[in-house]
Amino acid sequence: SQQGEEDPQALSIQEGENATMNCSYKTSINNLQWYRQNSGRGLVHLILIRSNEREKHSGRLRVTLDTSKKSSSLLITASRAADTASYFCATDPQWGKLTFGTGTRLTIIP
Amino acid sequence: EPEVTQTPSHQVTQMGQEVILRCVPISNHLYFYWYRQILGQKVEFLVSFYNNEISEKSEIFDDQFSVERPDGSNFTLKIRSTKLEDSAMYFCASTGTRNTDTQYFGPGTRLTVL
Repeated sequence: SQQGEEDPQALSIQEGENATMNCSYKTSINNLQWYRQNSGRGLVHLILIRSNEREKHSGRLRVTLDTSKKSSSLLITASRAADTASYFCATDPQWGKLTFGTGTRLTIIP
Repeated sequence: EPEVTQTPSHQVTQMGQEVILRCVPISNHLYFYWYRQILGQKVEFLVSFYNNEISEKSEIFDDQFSVERPDGSNFTLKIRSTKLEDSAMYFCASTGTRNTDTQYFGPGTRLTVL
């Protein structure tokens, strides 16, 4: 897979359920960042996890990083309709030059 | 909360024309970036800028592109002679004191080349 590939490509769940998205990458990284993008809009930063961290929480978000498997996951708990968006992981293999994945399109069904 | 701003939100231009996209990064940030996203595709890195010079640029960032920080607040991307394939959303981003910190993105400028 390419640097920063998310799966699944699309995910539909009922409101209130948890959503899990995964990201895999190929090269060593300084950090990994997750972003949200509403259709046609800007990128909203969600969370940054550094290469020496394994787990991080922010509100309803939980991010894990496994550098041995070169993978990360984003968990959104108790999903809401407003969480409907595309979610991207972005890796930083070269000091600030972010490489984005193709994204997971998340749809929350009310 | 401080944010990155970009103008205009939408720019329509004729092929061959020059365009300048403008960004105001977060005021105490030191590292600045431009990315683009062609409709339906990945966000792609174009260029990074620090201490009034380009730190890194991608293959996309050819001689038709240039960046400038003309004053203490603005950061611009110029495309000298636009092509149809330059149509995309262009995002500016900035980072604080370390280029490994969080990159904060602006809302983007949608460039349409006719």
